[in-house]
Amino acid sequence: DVKVTQSSRYLVKRTGEKVFLECVQDMDHENMFWYRQDPGLGLRLIYFSYDVKMKEKGDIPEGYSVSREKKERFSLILESASTNQTSMYLCATGSSGDTQYFGPGTRLTVL
Amino acid sequence: GEDVEQSLFLSVREGDSSVINCTYTDSSSTYLYWYKQEPGAGLQLLTYIFSNMDMKQDQRLTVLLNKKDKHLSLRIADTQTGDSAIYFCAERDRRSSASKIIFGSGTRLSIRP
Repeated sequence: DVKVTQSSRYLVKRTGEKVFLECVQDMDHENMFWYRQDPGLGLRLIYFSYDVKMKEKGDIPEGYSVSREKKERFSLILESASTNQTSMYLCATGSSGDTQYFGPGTRLTVL
Repeated sequence: GEDVEQSLFLSVREGDSSVINCTYTDSSSTYLYWYKQEPGAGLQLLTYIFSNMDMKQDQRLTVLLNKKDKHLSLRIADTQTGDSAIYFCAERDRRSSASKIIFGSGTRLSIRP
């Protein structure tokens, strides 16, 4: 079974704080993804990575950055959190030509 | 550009069949997916269909693909309370080799007694 874990299920931060969300997978997948999910908007891709130290912007990268120093770990960074970044954040992983496997999500609230 | 559309809500009576519909724009899509998201959880792959198929059945689930109309549907027979969830239609992004997937906005299925 594919296992994708995210560092926190719930997180509360203050405006202006730096926030780290971490995702770890145990399936040696080369591709990893960060999405945010908002009611009525579905899933929107923030960033993805197709190899260690490689990354590409998704549809809504503004205000976010990512880091992939090891194959199994993909971090999403909010440099200076803002209230409009309150959302559910979902990490996914997959091999090229395969589907995606999702973590349980992190619900982030920025006050 | 590619887009996947589905209605936001569906309410059915327990024991009836649920049909969730989806339209997509990329006629060259090779894989189309249905994901299920239960409350407070991540997405779980429910089923998928290759573009060279018209229908796929898996126990209570039936997927129908109409390539001409770019229409995909998911039928759940004998809907149960455990089927309450958000269902996402998705297509493989053909331009990407990195298994990128384009998701619809999700259909929230609620079951009434």
